[in-house]
Amino acid sequence: EAGVTQFPSHSVIEKGQTVTLRCDPISGHDNLYWYRRVMGKEIKFLLHFVKESKQDESGMPNNRFLAERTGGTYSTLKVQPAELEDSGVYFCASSPGRARSGANVLTFGAGSRLTVL
Amino acid sequence: AQKITQTQPGMFVQEKEAVTLDCTYDTSDPSYGLFWYKQPSSGEMIFLIYQGSYDQQNATEGRYSLNFQKARKSANLVISASQLGDSAMYFCAMRERRGSSNTGKLIFGQGTTLQVKP
Repeated sequence: EAGVTQFPSHSVIEKGQTVTLRCDPISGHDNLYWYRRVMGKEIKFLLHFVKESKQDESGMPNNRFLAERTGGTYSTLKVQPAELEDSGVYFCASSPGRARSGANVLTFGAGSRLTVL
Repeated sequence: AQKITQTQPGMFVQEKEAVTLDCTYDTSDPSYGLFWYKQPSSGEMIFLIYQGSYDQQNATEGRYSLNFQKARKSANLVISASQLGDSAMYFCAMRERRGSSNTGKLIFGQGTTLQVKP
């Protein structure tokens, strides 16, 4: 089975530009998550979709970040306009079943590295 | 608030030896779940092992085992018979709780970089 796929693997943009990251979860996984790791810091939660609905977006840093999951399949995370502090690695993860089950395992993608100059 | 602490930024181990990666956690909840993930240089985060707070035995998965000490709030990962392919960054994580329920999200530690020497 194909894993979680993220595109692009690396994006370099200038401050003020727009970038859109894409995530294709494992087929059939209702739960989709976005996480971010800023250089040298912990991996932090951004938001959680259940199918096409945003279940929890408490980790989104500000309104420059917009996440969508059309039709409950792939998801996009747009940063507009990008700032220097947005640089980092953006991970997508998906999981089946009940997200709140203690043992529900998240499968992660390889991440999209964003560099804002 | 819940927190995961990994105090070892980097570790070295000789090939074929065992190594322990430390993880301590902070929670006031009696029910919680702990995870370890491996991140090789390719970037993807690979799930290794899960321990539930009410599990009677320490979790094991092949060469990975979890030394779970509830009273000390530690969940150290033990890798036996290290291989060169074990060189990677390792993250300890806990599922977040809100009130009496799990949420879908994980809280991560800072990570430990493991280098296996031939």
